[in-house]
Amino acid sequence: AQSVAQPEDQVNVAEGNPLTVKCTYSVSGNPYLFWYVQYPNRGLQFLLKYITGDNLVKGSYGFEAEFNKSQTSFHLKKPSALVSDSALYFCAVRDMKAGANNLFFGTGTRLTVIP
Amino acid sequence: NAGVTQTPKFQVLKTGQSMTLQCAQDMNHNSMYWYRQDPGMGLRLIYYSASEGTTDKGEVPNGYNVSRLNKREFSLRLESAAPSQTSVYFCASSEANWGRSNQPQHFGDGTRLSIL
Repeated sequence: AQSVAQPEDQVNVAEGNPLTVKCTYSVSGNPYLFWYVQYPNRGLQFLLKYITGDNLVKGSYGFEAEFNKSQTSFHLKKPSALVSDSALYFCAVRDMKAGANNLFFGTGTRLTVIP
Repeated sequence: NAGVTQTPKFQVLKTGQSMTLQCAQDMNHNSMYWYRQDPGMGLRLIYYSASEGTTDKGEVPNGYNVSRLNKREFSLRLESAAPSQTSVYFCASSEANWGRSNQPQHFGDGTRLSIL
């Protein structure tokens, strides 16, 4: 069975500072990992994904994520946070059931960037 | 390009009433999904449709039914609403051909459902 954990419910960071939102996963086989962002009263928006290849994945809005197989982690990062990055962030892992493209989501981390 | 459109955006029901949530996508995606989002629990899959003509249960299917009306539309029905079904419901779609099954899901903006 696959699962994903986001150990922090809330992350606060000052504008201009680097940010990290943590995610760890558990899968059998190769992990397919995703990050999504949710703004108030909106649906989730895709940020980036790791399927294979380089461990550092670059995505939308200047975000990147580092895949670490030995630590089973896929932390989301950004070198310099913006106030507009304040949102709810979800890590997800793909369900490997054949014929489907289902995702298991973490419980989310609320990022607040302080001006 | 509308993407994924959900109707209605808000709804209040009384216990025992029935309701159908509508979802349509204009991206020609094969797969569609229904999730519910509850505080502290992330998103949980209710039902999904890997392709037109097929539907399968997800993590929390009890109390719901779905219909994949055509490639564009995937509806979610609550036959007898219960207060435990108060939630925000999201529809999503994705490409899901065998060779392209790692494509991201695209989400609608949700239906906020309250059951009294």
